[in-house]
Amino acid sequence: AQTVTQSQPEMSVQEAETVTLSCTYDTSESDYYLFWYKQPPSRQMILVIRQEAYKQQNATENRFSVNFQKAAKSFSLKISDSQLGDAAMYFCAYRSQGGSEKLVFGKGTKLTVNP
Amino acid sequence: DAGVIQSPRHEVTEMGQEVTLRCKPISGHNSLFWYRQTMMRGLELLIYFNNNVPIDDSGMPEDRFSAKMPNASFSTLKIQPSEPRDSAVYFCASSPSLNRQFNQPQHFGDGTRLSIL
Repeated sequence: AQTVTQSQPEMSVQEAETVTLSCTYDTSESDYYLFWYKQPPSRQMILVIRQEAYKQQNATENRFSVNFQKAAKSFSLKISDSQLGDAAMYFCAYRSQGGSEKLVFGKGTKLTVNP
Repeated sequence: DAGVIQSPRHEVTEMGQEVTLRCKPISGHNSLFWYRQTMMRGLELLIYFNNNVPIDDSGMPEDRFSAKMPNASFSTLKIQPSEPRDSAVYFCASSPSLNRQFNQPQHFGDGTRLSIL
């Protein structure tokens, strides 16, 4: 079974600075998808960014980018120019390409943005 | 476009009572997922449906939990009888899994916070 590990329960960053959230996963599959979801205090689960394992190019979405290292099974999220609205829980998630459609989540990282 | 709609947003009930959580997926999405979020266990899948058929219910904790999807626009998660350890946030999500070759993200509802006293 696949597992996702987020080793940083909490992180903090100064407004306008850059922060990187770590995620590692364990799988024997070669094709899969990876996601970062954001959960603000309002409880919504918001998709931040996604990556296909077959793509070597790292995904980017405005201030959000990932560092995908397939051999190391690592999928970190970098937030540039941090804003107060980025404060939230961030969850890394894994999904098989050919098997179950379910998302396997990490335990999350709580990000605090200091003004 | 309307997102995934869950009701109720909050539910407080006494132990032993029946609880029914409801979900309306995004129109056109043919996969529907029920997740549970707790501090101890994080987010975990309970069950998911594809074209109204249950595909994976391995996460359903025990017989007290049941889920149905009578049509493409509605699903329920029922707990009977409820216990204090069922207290959690329950999320419904949907996705257009027309082809697993494509990366179709799941869209989440706002969740139901369930408290069993």
